[in-house]
Amino acid sequence: DAGVTQSPTHLIKTRGQQVTLRCSPKSGHDTVSWYQQALGQGPQFIFQYYEEEERQRGNFPDRFSGHQFPNYSSELNVNALLLGDSALYLCASSFLSGETQYFGPGTRLLVL
Amino acid sequence: AQTVTQSQPEMSVQEAETVTLSCTYDTSESDYYLFWYKQPPSRQMILVIRQEAYKQQNATENRFSVNFQKAAKSFSLKISDSQLGDAAMYFCAYRTRDDKIIFGKGTRLHILP
Repeated sequence: DAGVTQSPTHLIKTRGQQVTLRCSPKSGHDTVSWYQQALGQGPQFIFQYYEEEERQRGNFPDRFSGHQFPNYSSELNVNALLLGDSALYLCASSFLSGETQYFGPGTRLLVL
Repeated sequence: AQTVTQSQPEMSVQEAETVTLSCTYDTSESDYYLFWYKQPPSRQMILVIRQEAYKQQNATENRFSVNFQKAAKSFSLKISDSQLGDAAMYFCAYRTRDDKIIFGKGTRLHILP
């Protein structure tokens, strides 16, 4: 049973560019959450998707957007990249009614 | 708003000894979940243990146990018989009623051989 997977593992972009990160949830899970983890910090909640809709959103600008597909996989898009967007982006999956989120290995984004 | 505080940025423990990591949180909710996650250098966030607030009994998972003090809003993690593989960042986390997880800043645990 595959756990949560994310791609790519690493990514380098320049300021102003756009990036798309991908996540496949753990088998059977229907809810995907995205987190940003800056170096030396704990993860911060970006948003959560369920039934292809954004269900919850943290304190992130509209440059951060997402999508969930019918197979429950998800994408995180970031437009107009800033240097401060450099971070580890974590995806977590769960059942909507479940109390535990399971995390993927993350995508390390570096913005130059 | 809910907050999670880990006051120990780094800790060290001798292999085979016991170590306790501290965590306090603030919330006005009465029912919630608390977690400890481990993040080794590989970056994968791994669930260590979880506690349901309405359960008074402290959760235990093998060498890992918690001391949950609901009135004091305290949730510490005890690691017994520390092993080299326990070296990692440990994050205390709180699950809000609307399913967001709020993390502390983490405690880096070093295991001394």
